[in-house]
Amino acid sequence: GENVEQHPSTLSVQEGDSAVIKCTYSDSASNYFPWYKQELGKRPQLIIDIRSNVGEKKDQRIAVTLNKTAKHFSLHITETQPEDSAVYFCAAYPPSTRNTPLVFGKGTRLSVIA
Amino acid sequence: DVKVTQSSRYLVKRTGEKVFLECVQDMDHENMFWYRQDPGLGLRLIYFSYDVKMKEKGDIPEGYSVSREKKERFSLILESASTNQTSMYLCASKGAGVLEEQYFGPGTRLTVT
Repeated sequence: GENVEQHPSTLSVQEGDSAVIKCTYSDSASNYFPWYKQELGKRPQLIIDIRSNVGEKKDQRIAVTLNKTAKHFSLHITETQPEDSAVYFCAAYPPSTRNTPLVFGKGTRLSVIA
Repeated sequence: DVKVTQSSRYLVKRTGEKVFLECVQDMDHENMFWYRQDPGLGLRLIYFSYDVKMKEKGDIPEGYSVSREKKERFSLILESASTNQTSMYLCASKGAGVLEEQYFGPGTRLTVT
């Protein structure tokens, strides 16, 4: 089945710098890649997603890139702010059946230092 | 406003007790999920359900069972709670479409003593 690996597990950046989180997946048929943000004490929430027919997607300070050949996708956060501090999860959707659940990476704890 | 709710935010139970965790969604979603979240281990899928009365094992089903008698409600059952089941439990729901967003509940912090 699908396997998603996420790196790094922890990341500290200075406020204003950029942060990059990388994920690799194993099933070349996976076609949907969402990213979730979980602030301390809160539920994970979708922040951005990308489909397999798109190479890059941006939403203000966050962007996601997808390299289907290499089977990896990345989250980029520019001009980081303290409120970006959270745990970020990547996920992949293997399309074998419509009942297949998302496969999540283990998460990255991002700390933005003011 | 989308809502996934869980019956308790915090729960303390004794070893050997039967524990019920309830999850309710109001979005008419077909799919519902139970995850366990532990530091460094991410979100591990326990069970999921794609329809009423249907259930599928996830990655760590041992020691758990589930029930889905109504579309909006998905229950996680610990038949005999053990200390290694102390964890954060997250419920989630998602529509039938492949690319639909998955919504999470607020979580239940279960402590088994």
